[in-house]
Amino acid sequence: SQQGEEDPQALSIQEGENATMNCSYKTSINNLQWYRQNSGRGLVHLILIRSNEREKHSGRLRVTLDTSKKSSSLLITASRAADTASYFCATRFSGGSYIPTFGRGTSLIVHP
Amino acid sequence: GAGVSQSPSNKVTEKGKDVELRCDPISGHTALYWYRQSLGQGLEFLIYFQGNSAPDKSGLPSDRFSAERTGGSVSTLTIQRTQQEDSAVYLCASSLAGGGGGNEQFFGPGTRLTVL
Repeated sequence: SQQGEEDPQALSIQEGENATMNCSYKTSINNLQWYRQNSGRGLVHLILIRSNEREKHSGRLRVTLDTSKKSSSLLITASRAADTASYFCATRFSGGSYIPTFGRGTSLIVHP
Repeated sequence: GAGVSQSPSNKVTEKGKDVELRCDPISGHTALYWYRQSLGQGLEFLIYFQGNSAPDKSGLPSDRFSAERTGGSVSTLTIQRTQQEDSAVYLCASSLAGGGGGNEQFFGPGTRLTVL
């Protein structure tokens, strides 16, 4: 499968702690995007990182990309109960499909 | 509208009936995607429309599934002779363009389909 795979499948932490989720993929990519999904409905775009970038920040989010390891991580610092959601990575493969493919997601629960 | 809208939000139907799901993308977005998400699973790509090009139907699971996009805007996903395994949330997304760059997808709230 070409889709990214998130790890862990589930993560439970206390408010204020940091949450780290990982995404691994199999072939070369143009870019990788992270999305959040609340309550099994629509996804919200969080951040995009291109293949020539190594790190990006957006507020409390930090995304890294290691193309040599074909992996990305999403770090949420100082987590809040409102961060409780499922997080997905979506990859767009270079030279191939233009359709972003999604992994199964990481289910994050932040306890107040 | 401000975002992608989908209707109905929930649909309960009997096995064997046909259903139509509607998606209104963001105005000006040329790319439109349909995905399916079963409980606790990732998103399964179904079909992709880009401008006036022929749609990419490679993700449709069977010939009971079809979709059209009229006037480059509204899209309808039709499932004929529904089966229980069709029960899922059907998500629509649109983006400014599809083929190049890393265009952000904007998702609708989804239609939750339940086939009894």
